[in-house]
Amino acid sequence: TQLLEQSPQFLSIQEGENLTVYCNSSSVFSSLQWYRQEPGEGPVLLVTVVTGGEVKKLKRLTFQFGDARKDSSLHITAAQPGDTGLYLCAGGRLITGTASKLTFGTGTRLQVTL
Amino acid sequence: ETGVTQTPRHLVMGMTNKKSLKCEQHLGHNAMYWYKQSAKKPLELMFVYSLEERVENNSVPSRFSPECPNSSHLFLHLHTLQPEDSALYLCASSQDLNLGYEQYFGPGTRLTVT
Repeated sequence: TQLLEQSPQFLSIQEGENLTVYCNSSSVFSSLQWYRQEPGEGPVLLVTVVTGGEVKKLKRLTFQFGDARKDSSLHITAAQPGDTGLYLCAGGRLITGTASKLTFGTGTRLQVTL
Repeated sequence: ETGVTQTPRHLVMGMTNKKSLKCEQHLGHNAMYWYKQSAKKPLELMFVYSLEERVENNSVPSRFSPECPNSSHLFLHLHTLQPEDSALYLCASSQDLNLGYEQYFGPGTRLTVT
């Protein structure tokens, strides 16, 4: 079983603070995605990284894929209440030929207060 | 609105009942998925369908029976469930099963088994 451990599990911070969420595995993945899920909704994709060492920025969010493609991090600068939600990493791997499936991480629940 | 709808949004059923969950995607995607999201476990993949053919069954008990009559619709038939089956059941779709394709999730069905 390929496990993706996220840390921290819970994070409560004030508006304006910076934070980093980690996603770690002992397995290699072909791609790594980050999703955010808000209450009463399904997860929504934030980013996909596919190359070891790759860094992508999405406004105040910075995503990095580890060199060995076993881990990833999400850094948020100057957090805002709208960033509140459950953050999920998901590792992609091939199951047959070109078909792939995602293994989701344990999740990090972020709350940003005023 | 992600283009993936699920009905019902909430369902309470007894252990002897038979019910069905419905998912519909309006995105023209070829792949559809069922996931289970429990409070204390990572998001678990249950079934994967590609062009109406089941690609993966992730060791799911037979009391869960999927059906994909066409590429836009996916059902999950439930019978003789257990209280531990109470969870949020999420449907998702993607253009294809290839790596890197974004999965679009529906809002989920919150299932309670009494």
